[in-house]
Amino acid sequence: AQSVTQPDIHITVSEGASLELRCNYSYGATPYLFWYVQSPGQGLQLLLKYFSGDTLVQGIKGFEAEFKRSQSSFNLRKPSVHWSDAAEYFCAVGAQGGGSQGNLIFGKGTKLSVKP
Amino acid sequence: GAGVSQSPSNKVTEKGKDVELRCDPISGHTALYWYRQSLGQGLEFLIYFQGNSAPDKSGLPSDRFSAERTGGSVSTLTIQRTQQEDSAVYLCASSLVPNPNQPQHFGDGTRLSIL
Repeated sequence: AQSVTQPDIHITVSEGASLELRCNYSYGATPYLFWYVQSPGQGLQLLLKYFSGDTLVQGIKGFEAEFKRSQSSFNLRKPSVHWSDAAEYFCAVGAQGGGSQGNLIFGKGTKLSVKP
Repeated sequence: GAGVSQSPSNKVTEKGKDVELRCDPISGHTALYWYRQSLGQGLEFLIYFQGNSAPDKSGLPSDRFSAERTGGSVSTLTIQRTQQEDSAVYLCASSLVPNPNQPQHFGDGTRLSIL
C-alpha cells in the first residue's frame, strides 16, 4: 500500500533563512507526488506536482521540490522564507492501483513557524 | 466563483442530530472527493464520485455516513446520529477526471463541532 511520511511535525525558521521540508513515500513504481499548503481556516492550495521528467520541479510562491527515486523522497525547498509562508504543509501521493481512482494519500503535515 | 465552494463553513450541533454538508465543485470537473481532517487522524479520504456515481464507499467511517452527487455537480455528505468523534473539518476537492496524476482543487472546508 502507498504511504507518505513527513518526519517533522513542527519546524521553526527565521525570516530570510532557507527551508527544507522532508517527505518520504512508499510505492514501487513511479509515484504522482504533490505538495499542498494550508493556512489556518483555509483549504489546501497546490504548491507543485511531480509526474515524470525533470526531477526538480518549480512551484508557486518560490517553492521547489526534488524527486529522488533512490531515497524515495520528495523534499520541498525555498531559498528565503517570508513571514507569510507560516502555514501547514502536506506532502501527498496520488493513489494508484487496487481500484483506487485518484484520491490523495497525505502525510501528517509539517507546521512551519517563521521567526521575525 | 471559480473555486470549490463548501457550505456551511462552520456547523455546531448536538450529539445525535443529523447534519448535511454541501460541496459545489469547479464547473466541468467530473471527479469529486471528500476528505476528513481531524487532529488524531490527519487527512483521511472518505469517498469519491465519478459523475454521479461513487464506485467505492469503503472509506466512509461508518454506516451513519452517506454521500450523493446529483447532476454531476453538487454533492452532499450526510452524517446521521452524529457522535463527538465526528467533530472534524470536512474538505471537498474536485479534479477534471479521477486520475492520480490530476491535481485536486480544495474548498475551504466545513468545520463540524458536535457538542
